[in-house]
Amino acid sequence: AQSVAQPEDQVNVAEGNPLTVKCTYSVSGNPYLFWYVQYPNRGLQFLLKYITGDNLVKGSYGFEAEFNKSQTSFHLKKPSALVSDSALYFCAVRDWGSYIPTFGRGTSLIVHP
Amino acid sequence: DGGITQSPKYLFRKEGQNVTLSCEQNLNHDAMYWYRQDPGQGLRLIYYSQIVNDFQKGDIAEGYSVSREKKESFPLTVTSAQKNPTAFYLCASSLTSGSNEQFFGPGTRLTVL
Repeated sequence: AQSVAQPEDQVNVAEGNPLTVKCTYSVSGNPYLFWYVQYPNRGLQFLLKYITGDNLVKGSYGFEAEFNKSQTSFHLKKPSALVSDSALYFCAVRDWGSYIPTFGRGTSLIVHP
Repeated sequence: DGGITQSPKYLFRKEGQNVTLSCEQNLNHDAMYWYRQDPGQGLRLIYYSQIVNDFQKGDIAEGYSVSREKKESFPLTVTSAQKNPTAFYLCASSLTSGSNEQFFGPGTRLTVL
């Protein structure tokens, strides 16, 4: 079985400050991990993924995520937040033996000017 | 332009009517998916298809039906048996390998009057 948790419904950060959006997962095998972003009334856009290799993954728009196997986490980070980063962020996990991802409930990121 | 399209963007339905949501992709992806998104509930899988002429129920398939007669197309019918159909519907596609990310359409917002 696979599952993913995003423990924060909302994250507030000031523009220019670093941001972190948290994600933890559970799988029986090796995980494939994904982050997506959704702007209002739009579809999801892929940001980055972890398959194997380096624990720090770099993605679109300056975002990065750190895979931590011992803590079963895959937190999304950005060194300096922009107001335009305000959106809904989804973490997803696929067990290596599964074709279907499981999505978290989403975290609303609000960046204040 | 390569991508995945959904139509219409907004759809209004009277109770008791069936409606069909369109999803087309020109990415040459084998796998296609339908999700329902409700506020605070993340994405819930309705149906998915890994290959033409084959599809599987997801977590909330009751009251929905699909077909996959062409690789490019995966229409979703919301039947009158669906008790609470008002929601945002997202279609996605991907290569079948588990490490591959999904590409999402822009979504269809269905409102039952």
